[in-house]
Amino acid sequence: QKEVEQDPGPLSVPEGAIVSLNCTYSNSAFQYFMWYRQYSRKGPELLMYTYSSGNKEDGRFTAQVDKSSKYISLFIRDSQPSDSATYLCAMSAFLAGGTSYGKLTFGQGTILTVHP
Amino acid sequence: DARVTQTPRHKVTEMGQEVTMRCQPILGHNTVFWYRQTMMQGLELLAYFRNRAPLDDSGMPKDRFSAEMPDATLATLKIQPSEPRDSAVYFCASGLVTANYGYTFGSGTRLTVV
Repeated sequence: QKEVEQDPGPLSVPEGAIVSLNCTYSNSAFQYFMWYRQYSRKGPELLMYTYSSGNKEDGRFTAQVDKSSKYISLFIRDSQPSDSATYLCAMSAFLAGGTSYGKLTFGQGTILTVHP
Repeated sequence: DARVTQTPRHKVTEMGQEVTMRCQPILGHNTVFWYRQTMMQGLELLAYFRNRAPLDDSGMPKDRFSAEMPDATLATLKIQPSEPRDSAVYFCASGLVTANYGYTFGSGTRLTVV
């Protein structure tokens, strides 16, 4: 079983819909949680990050982390065709002295298409 | 905007040939990652450097892959000999460990081994 599980989709929604993307994880040492967006034939770009549990909002995007359930979510409100991309969750642990310090572990990625 | 530069962008090679991919991290970044992306496996970590020292290369097939940072401005990933199953997109990313979430990815090298 992978440390980070993400439904690969694909997910297709109409413009204006609310999109919910989710990841679950098994490593309780993860402390930083990120969402990356990757357009076709491009590298992933950081969209949002959250430390520990809680919510964070940035415009139409909201990231939620529930460490007790080992579950993170990304919500996109009023989705636009330009949001069509692959969304990857990523996580990292910061154990002092460990070689995994700062190492990112990614989910499989969810392919999202927003159609006009 | 500062960016991570990867060369070449595309590479087609025959099975058995040596392949070298290069990455120029963002100036001042002390952490460099090499990832491989395929449809089946997603993003897999191959190697991870901090201050040019290798920290973790457990995800890399040791018999044919090698990763180095000869200086702070260059990271290399070599495959020798290459095999068709190595066909993938290889990404380099750099960042500062004190800003652990802020890793910047390059545009990738799309490798096809025939």
